[in-house]
Amino acid sequence: DTGVSQDPRHKITKRGQNVTFRCDPISEHNRLYWYRQTLGQGPEFLTYFQNEAQLEKSRLLSNRFSAERPKGSFSTLEIQRTEQGDSAMYLCASSLAYKVSSANYGYTFGSGTRLTVV
Amino acid sequence: AQKITQTQPGMFVQEKEAVTLDCTYDTSDPSYGLFWYKQPSSGEMIFLIYQGSYDQQNATEGRYSLNFQKARKSANLVISASQLGDSAMYFCAMILHGSGNTGKLIFGQGTTLQVKP
Repeated sequence: DTGVSQDPRHKITKRGQNVTFRCDPISEHNRLYWYRQTLGQGPEFLTYFQNEAQLEKSRLLSNRFSAERPKGSFSTLEIQRTEQGDSAMYLCASSLAYKVSSANYGYTFGSGTRLTVV
Repeated sequence: AQKITQTQPGMFVQEKEAVTLDCTYDTSDPSYGLFWYKQPSSGEMIFLIYQGSYDQQNATEGRYSLNFQKARKSANLVISASQLGDSAMYFCAMILHGSGNTGKLIFGQGTTLQVKP
């Protein structure tokens, strides 16, 4: 297993364009998360999937953002009509869903996609 | 509301010395966990150490140890024998384990550590 993969690593786009990012989680992980991290800040939660179901969305996820996880495998995050404020690092993470209270669930992050909107 | 506070924006340490990075947290849930991650300039989040709220012993992973003081709601990271490669941003994060929780992480603002030769 090669860990969590994200593609592309870097994306530069013009304001108003649409962009799509991909995340391939660890194969046996059924939970998948997207986070956004702006410069000098900690990551902030965007959305969460358990298998193919999107179970939680943050208020940060405006209607220009959409995420999917078809068949419970890889996930995509699309941003429509990008704005300069969308410039950030987009991090994907995956984990197992345990019922044990004291476990780190194998929580693993990808290397992120750094988006620059010009 | 759940919150993580890291009060040290930047820290310096001499190579080979120990350093403590502070983290305090706020939650009313009894079942939770605390993570520390390292983020070098390349951007990836590298897992360092994890402490569960019911764990009796403080977590240790090589040169990293977590000083968990539950009553004070603090989970400080101690790095022993600092190395130049430890220079990076460090994040403390919390996960809630109770039923109905999704497993999302709540992060602090981070501490930038610079190791001097």
